[in-house]
Amino acid sequence: KAGVTQTPRYLIKTRGQQVTLSCSPISGHRSVSWYQQTPGQGLQFLFEYFSETQRNKGNFPGRFSGRQFSNSRSEMNVSTLELGDSALYLCASSLRRGTAQYFGPGTRLLVL
Amino acid sequence: AQSVSQHNHHVILSEAASLELGCNYSYGGTVNLFWYVQYPGQHLQLLLKYFSGDPLVKGIKGFEAEFIKSKFSFNLRKPSVQWSDTAEYFCAVNVQGSGNTGKLIFGQGTTLQVKP
Repeated sequence: KAGVTQTPRYLIKTRGQQVTLSCSPISGHRSVSWYQQTPGQGLQFLFEYFSETQRNKGNFPGRFSGRQFSNSRSEMNVSTLELGDSALYLCASSLRRGTAQYFGPGTRLLVL
Repeated sequence: AQSVSQHNHHVILSEAASLELGCNYSYGGTVNLFWYVQYPGQHLQLLLKYFSGDPLVKGIKGFEAEFIKSKFSFNLRKPSVQWSDTAEYFCAVNVQGSGNTGKLIFGQGTTLQVKP
């Protein structure tokens, strides 16, 4: 089975812009979670989607949002980018809620 | 707040040495426990997981972990490390119920350097 795929792999944006990141889960997996990884804060949970509904949200501002489609693919959006949003954004999929999560390679976002 | 603590931030071992990485979490309810590994230039990979049953869990590449509920710990072990084990290791906890299903709480990670 193909693993979790994320596009794009790298992005450079400027402050104030917005960005959309995409995640395709492992075939058959219905739950998708997003995480932000930075050297200072480590891995932090952003949100979780299951059956096209956000089930859980981490402690991030409303500029961070996401959605899930009927085929379980997910997107996350960050509006009004700030320098501090520079990070590796990881997507993880699991068969269903609460089961083991498998991570994609991430999208590295640099905000200038 | 729920948290995960990894005591060792940077560990340096010689090949064939034994490894034990500590992980403690701060939640008294039902938890699922994980260890992930991130090799240089690669993405996070699941090393092993604990959901229930035998508290001694075996994972890939000879790794194992023991869940000690009374100590809120889930330490990772390997009897003999290899140079290829050089990586960053993350302990993660998923708290069941209370609306947190699907949310992994990660420790800060431990960088393991194995000298050949």
